[in-house]
Amino acid sequence: SQQGEEDPQALSIQEGENATMNCSYKTSINNLQWYRQNSGRGLVHLILIRSNEREKHSGRLRVTLDTSKKSSSLLITASRAADTASYFCASGFTGTASKLTFGTGTRLQVTL
Amino acid sequence: EAGVAQSPRYKIIEKRQSVAFWCNPISGHATLYWYQQILGQGPKLLIQFQNNGVVDDSQLPKDRFSAERLKGVDSTLKIQPAKLEDSAVYLCASSLGLATGELFFGEGSRLTVL
Repeated sequence: SQQGEEDPQALSIQEGENATMNCSYKTSINNLQWYRQNSGRGLVHLILIRSNEREKHSGRLRVTLDTSKKSSSLLITASRAADTASYFCASGFTGTASKLTFGTGTRLQVTL
Repeated sequence: EAGVAQSPRYKIIEKRQSVAFWCNPISGHATLYWYQQILGQGPKLLIQFQNNGVVDDSQLPKDRFSAERLKGVDSTLKIQPAKLEDSAVYLCASSLGLATGELFFGEGSRLTVL
């Protein structure tokens, strides 16, 4: 079964608006990552936030992490049509069974 | 730097037939992953290799799926016999090590089972 659930499942906004996606996970993690997937393509890594961090920025991306609530959010500011894609969170834990487990994804549509 | 290479990109087979997918990871990446992504869902880990050893294959349907990574470089994933529910995209990814850092994905192999 998948580790995370994402909300909303689909999001449609206009160019220039901000897009916020939320992710919840179930077990303790070492880090949480966000990936983007364009239609018919592989996943591309966007940003990684460690369990001892609360917020991280990368260009137009802002990620927050609340380990007490086992949740994370991804904010894309000033969205562009090229941001249209599916976005997945992935929770990572390191140990005897290190693995990265993906959520269900949010489909973002940015219209002109 | 070359990315993760996968082939074939598309494959259509009938149920009960067999199929094999190939993956060549980024040079120097010790960890290799095979994920299954069913339409509309997130990727699900099938098997994870560290060099040529299996780290995790707990979600691999071993009665029909097999994977190997000979010499710790490229890998093949085989399905025999295929079922209708195996229709999915099979994604290969690699990373430098086991510390669950960034994964680099290939473009995927889309399988349709009729």
